Amino acid sequence: DTEVTQTPKHLVMGMTNKKSLKCEQHMGHRAMYWYKQKAKKPPELMFVYSYEKLSINESVPSRFSPECPNSSLLNLHLHALQPEDSALYLCASSPGGFSNQPQHFGDGTRLSIL
Amino acid sequence: QKEVEQNSGPLSVPEGAIASLNCTYSDRGSQSFFWYRQYSGKSPELIMFIYSNGDKEDGRFTAQLNKASQYVSLLIRDSQPSDSATYLCAVSGPPGGYQKVTFGIGTKLQVIP
Repeated sequence: DTEVTQTPKHLVMGMTNKKSLKCEQHMGHRAMYWYKQKAKKPPELMFVYSYEKLSINESVPSRFSPECPNSSLLNLHLHALQPEDSALYLCASSPGGFSNQPQHFGDGTRLSIL
Repeated sequence: QKEVEQNSGPLSVPEGAIASLNCTYSDRGSQSFFWYRQYSGKSPELIMFIYSNGDKEDGRFTAQLNKASQYVSLLIRDSQPSDSATYLCAVSGPPGGYQKVTFGIGTKLQVIP
């Protein structure tokens, strides 16, 4: 078990649905990340929150909307997704937002778009 | 464009042997280097990180860094079948700022019993 908890573990949704992915950590980390990973590919950074502020958006389509209600929680709101958005969505955290600090990943949410 | 290169494998080694996984990177300003293990269908798990030239050992794992050659490696001694996984090399820039970590494609390791 990891110290970064993601829910749900699996999600199947239609292209017109609205759903949210949730991530929680209680390590006192101040930076949290969303990654997308397709099969046999490395994780691809989507968003970085540092001290609850969005610091990096890797030109992600607006159908993905991140939210950081507090330093322990990170959400990813999904709306009008496409079949190509099916992937493993990973949340990670690190002590601060600096690049020399290792990131710790949650177990991920496997998302399937019908 | 920062690049991190790894041979995708598979790298096959017999049980008990030393597995050597290699990674090269393009950005000379890179300062922090991470190795993650990822089992099929699971999330990446941090194994080692190294910041300085030389070797860093943790149990059966040794990370080696040569900044002049822009090369980082991971050695796994006494390889076990449970070590069979994909090993991701990740590299980030100088400390400070919100620079992102760049991942290599990963090397698939197969330990043969």
